[in-house]
Amino acid sequence: EPEVTQTPSHQVTQMGQEVILRCVPISNHLYFYWYRQILGQKVEFLVSFYNNEISEKSEIFDDQFSVERPDGSNFTLKIRSTKLEDSAMYFCASSSGEDEQFFGPGTRLTVL
Amino acid sequence: DQQVKQNSPSLSVQEGRISILNCDYTNSMFDYFLWYKKYPAEGPTFLISISSIKDKNEDGRFTVFLNKSAKHLSLHIVPSQPGDSAVYFCAASAGGNKLVFGAGTILRVKS
Repeated sequence: EPEVTQTPSHQVTQMGQEVILRCVPISNHLYFYWYRQILGQKVEFLVSFYNNEISEKSEIFDDQFSVERPDGSNFTLKIRSTKLEDSAMYFCASSSGEDEQFFGPGTRLTVL
Repeated sequence: DQQVKQNSPSLSVQEGRISILNCDYTNSMFDYFLWYKKYPAEGPTFLISISSIKDKNEDGRFTVFLNKSAKHLSLHIVPSQPGDSAVYFCAASAGGNKLVFGAGTILRVKS
């Protein structure tokens, strides 16, 4: 069964450093998303991406964040200068249309 | 952001009995609702969904009921199995795109 994959599973970084979280969405999906879950809090929407551009973003997704689909398979989330409060689980998701979104296993980001 | 609420942090059910998980929402623009199951250190796994034009959707042991007038939906699991023990999230969307999640309910199925 096709699934969304994410790498790395755990990323530890120093405050102020750049990180890139990688995702491989399900191959025939056209819509891509990033969500995050800070420990003990809800899963929060960050950004959606369709047709090679951002279709919606939340208030969390400020200028420190960017997304890219550099080739036909990868979808990346970059945080330019990490802050302590960026520590969270980051989930990538994809969908074929405006319906069910399928999530990856997540990347645990720890900012020290 | 309290647009989607799951007021029960946890639920404990005996194996073989029915589990009923509840979810309330406030945004009348929501037109699609989903339930996800999540194990620790894993991503949410899609379970079942329902469009606002329906009031019930069934898939095997899982049934979702939607009451639009009350802005309430519920997930029924019958019969409950120990493997169903997980965190269950209700989510909603308006016109596709982003999902708004509830806080989750921890379900424990005792054998």
